[in-house]
Amino acid sequence: AQKITQTQPGMFVQEKEAVTLDCTYDTSDQSYGLFWYKQPSSGEMIFLIYQGSYDEQNATEGRYSLNFQKARKSANLVISASQLGDSAMYFCAMREGSISNFGNEKLTFGTGTRLTIIP
Amino acid sequence: KAGVTQTPRYLIKTRGQQVTLSCSPISGHRSVSWYQQTPGQGLQFLFEYFSETQRNKGNFPGRFSGRQFSNSRSEMNVSTLELGDSALYLCASSLDGRGTEAFFGQGTRLTVV
Repeated sequence: AQKITQTQPGMFVQEKEAVTLDCTYDTSDQSYGLFWYKQPSSGEMIFLIYQGSYDEQNATEGRYSLNFQKARKSANLVISASQLGDSAMYFCAMREGSISNFGNEKLTFGTGTRLTIIP
Repeated sequence: KAGVTQTPRYLIKTRGQQVTLSCSPISGHRSVSWYQQTPGQGLQFLFEYFSETQRNKGNFPGRFSGRQFSNSRSEMNVSTLELGDSALYLCASSLDGRGTEAFFGQGTRLTVV
C-alpha cells in the first residue's frame, strides 16, 4: 500500500488564487512527521513546511499552511495568493518513528503534483 | 549560512564504470541521507548516515554504498554502473535525526551511457 498518496498529478491555477495540494498518508506509528517540498525544474528540493503528529495547531510558514486532519490521515498544503514562481513539482513526504526512536531520517515521498500558475 | 552542497552537479559515465558523489551538509548537521529520483520510481531512499555510522538503508543492491567522514561530509559510491542508475541523486542534511527540517542539496544528475 502507498504510504503517501498525492492524487493530483497536475494542477493549473490562476495567479493570485489560493491552491490546495492534496496529500494522504498511511502509518501505524503514533509519532511521525509530515513534510512538503517544492522542486523547481532546476532539481533542488526546497523545504516548505513541517507538521508533527503531536502538533495541535496547523503549521504555517508565510504563504504556506498545512491543513492537518489527523483522523483522516490528511496533510494538504495550502498556498495563498499564488505567484508565477510557485510553478513547480510539489512533494509530500513522511518520516515515521516512535518517541523513543525518533532518529529515523528516512523520508517516504509521494509521487508529486506539478503545479502550474497561469498569469 | 551555507546550504547543502552536492558535487558534481552533472556527471556522464559509461556502463560498468563506478562513480562517487559528494555531499557536504549544513554546518553542525550530523545526519545525511541519500535519495535517488527517477521518472519511473520517483524518490527512493538509499541510506542515512549519522555520526559516521550507517543508520538506515533502503532497498538498493550492494553496488550502492556510502560513507560519512568525521566532518559529516558524505560520499555515495555506485560501482558497475547500469543504464538504470541514471537519475538525480539528492542528499538531505538534518541536525540529529530528530529535527523538524530536512534540507536538500541541488542534486547530482548522473547519466549512464
